[in-house]
Amino acid sequence: DQQVKQNSPSLSVQEGRISILNCDYTNSMFDYFLWYKKYPAEGPTFLISISSIKDKNEDGRFTVFLNKSAKHLSLHIVPSQPGDSAVYFCAASFMNYGGATNKLIFGTGTLLAVQP
Amino acid sequence: GAVVSQHPSWVICKSGTSVKIECRSLDFQATTMFWYRQFPKQSLMLMATSNEGSKATYEQGVEKDKFLINHASLTLSTLTVTSAHPEDSSFYICSARYLPTGSSADTIYFGEGSWLTVV
Repeated sequence: DQQVKQNSPSLSVQEGRISILNCDYTNSMFDYFLWYKKYPAEGPTFLISISSIKDKNEDGRFTVFLNKSAKHLSLHIVPSQPGDSAVYFCAASFMNYGGATNKLIFGTGTLLAVQP
Repeated sequence: GAVVSQHPSWVICKSGTSVKIECRSLDFQATTMFWYRQFPKQSLMLMATSNEGSKATYEQGVEKDKFLINHASLTLSTLTVTSAHPEDSSFYICSARYLPTGSSADTIYFGEGSWLTVV
């Protein structure tokens, strides 16, 4: 049972344009969401996160939007750069009472290709 | 950012032997580390949660006697694949929880991953 889903296995975008990566989840108890970037044969690199008490978080070129009613989040990258080409994973978690992140449940990933 | 290192980066072992993978947090103490595995073109699947000084918590379907996890110190967790078989060949990744002093917000940092090939 895939609790976190990324329905687009791949996405191709022109350099300078906006990249929008989507993620859906099924468990309404998730309260913390993260996006990771991953190159082949390397560990994921943390990009940005959002708590369920917010609907938007922005960090430079990266913005994450959360729609709790739709159980949907998206990552916007603008402007896209060729160096952004990688696999992007969204992940969901439950925060414990101490505010610490518990185990991450990952989506299946979306391969982003930014064309020069 | 914080650094998590895995060793070895890749390892080839014979079927039936055991292999150990180390995960170290280089510049912070991690009370909690996580172990994942990833098959080609698939998602990262959590195997177990490792808490320093206590037994690891395994996810459903993960054999605790086959995948031994030891978190003996605040900077080191090890995953030992015992009696390895070809189907254990995979990319194993650890992560560590980093909580800066005085902060209530933590971040999960990942190691570089370890390729295991069982022949």
